[in-house]
Amino acid sequence: GAGVSQSPSNKVTEKGKDVELRCDPISGHTALYWYRQSLGQGLEFLIYFQGNSAPDKSGLPSDRFSAERTGGSVSTLTIQRTQQEDSAVYLCASSSVRGTQYFGPGTRLTVL
Amino acid sequence: AQKVTQAQTEISVVEKEDVTLDCVYETRDTTYYLFWYKQPPSGELVFLIRRNSFDEQNEISGRYSWNFQKSTSSFNFTITASQVVDSAVYFCALSEVYSGGGADGLTFGKGTHLIIQP
Repeated sequence: GAGVSQSPSNKVTEKGKDVELRCDPISGHTALYWYRQSLGQGLEFLIYFQGNSAPDKSGLPSDRFSAERTGGSVSTLTIQRTQQEDSAVYLCASSSVRGTQYFGPGTRLTVL
Repeated sequence: AQKVTQAQTEISVVEKEDVTLDCVYETRDTTYYLFWYKQPPSGELVFLIRRNSFDEQNEISGRYSWNFQKSTSSFNFTITASQVVDSAVYFCALSEVYSGGGADGLTFGKGTHLIIQP
């Protein structure tokens, strides 16, 4: 079956602009996760959705970051007023109730 | 707080050698999952294995084997008869388990870059 998909695959933006990153999980997976991978910080967990609800948003790096999930499926990660330190690969994963997370190909964000 | 340590930043071996990647973890949870993921040069994280904290049986899958020892909080990964295609960054990860069986976000180690030379 289809895996996790993410769009865009690459995004180049100017400092101060807003960006939206999209994740389409594996069909039937109820849990969805966002991570960030950068050279300096490694792989960081950002936020987790069970259905449309995010129980804990403390992993988001700043209040410029927000995420939502609608219909228990697609999720959007929004970064407002982007900064150069936001440059990273943003990874999405999904899982069924059994807990193994399967990852998408990522969105490479470059903030100029 | 959870922590995963992969002390080996980079390992380089010649093809057909056996190689072991070390992973040591810290958690206060009594129930947790441990994972290994592979990240080839293409960049996508590929799931390799998941172990539950209550199951210390070692596992073998083809040329891959995993040694889970709760007493030393280690979950090491061995590749037997390595091949060039095994070259990648390998990540060990840990997550809390919810009562329904689902998992929290993963805490990753920094990764081990494995280079298999022909």
